[in-house]
Amino acid sequence: EVQLLESGGGVAQRGGSLRLSCVASGFPFANYAMTWVRQAPGKGLEWVSTISSASLSTYYADSMKGRFTISRDNSKNTLYLQVTSLGAEDTAIYYCARGIFTYTNMGPFDVWGQGTLVTVSS
Amino acid sequence: RVLTQSPATVSVSPGERVTLSCRASQSVSSNLAWYQRKPGQSPRLLIYGASTRATGIPARFSGSGSGTEFSLTISSLESEDFAVYYCQQYNTWPFTFGQGTRLENK
Repeated sequence: EVQLLESGGGVAQRGGSLRLSCVASGFPFANYAMTWVRQAPGKGLEWVSTISSASLSTYYADSMKGRFTISRDNSKNTLYLQVTSLGAEDTAIYYCARGIFTYTNMGPFDVWGQGTLVTVSS
Repeated sequence: RVLTQSPATVSVSPGERVTLSCRASQSVSSNLAWYQRKPGQSPRLLIYGASTRATGIPARFSGSGSGTEFSLTISSLESEDFAVYYCQQYNTWPFTFGQGTRLENK
């Protein structure tokens, strides 16, 4: 079964940092671009970042540049998102998602994890 | 590319036909997807390439459009279709989502 499982969420301090993880199974992880999408309470979906299959390219939403770092370890079938200088605006459910097409960064997302909730407190 | 969805909320009854709209601020060619989001569930890909149904998506869902104007039509609403629907463009970085349309049971 194709599956994505996020972890690393929880309550974090304002100004602090955290690292989210997403473990993939059931498909050749190294062949797919991977993405993080978030949804803040009462808000819509927000694309955060995408990384190419071999980590050669990374892309970020303009508002995320500088504080967010996406990475992956294909030997561990794991995607990461490092977030620093946390603010209240980062409170959200963070989803990892798989690009639908192999070996391309451009495409929609056909497999989603269940999400991990990050709550930033003061 | 800013995506603007309309209406924000629509009230319909099961069995009815409904069309949701997504307008892009600049052309995204046919690189547009639609997702369904239900409370407590992860988003589900419905349509990509503006009109191609994703695997396992029922035929009552259809998408159309290109350039800047797109639509998602549900031909005959079923009870499980009441949800929030988002469009997303993947033509240009940064990728963007629309703000969503909520489908409510009248």
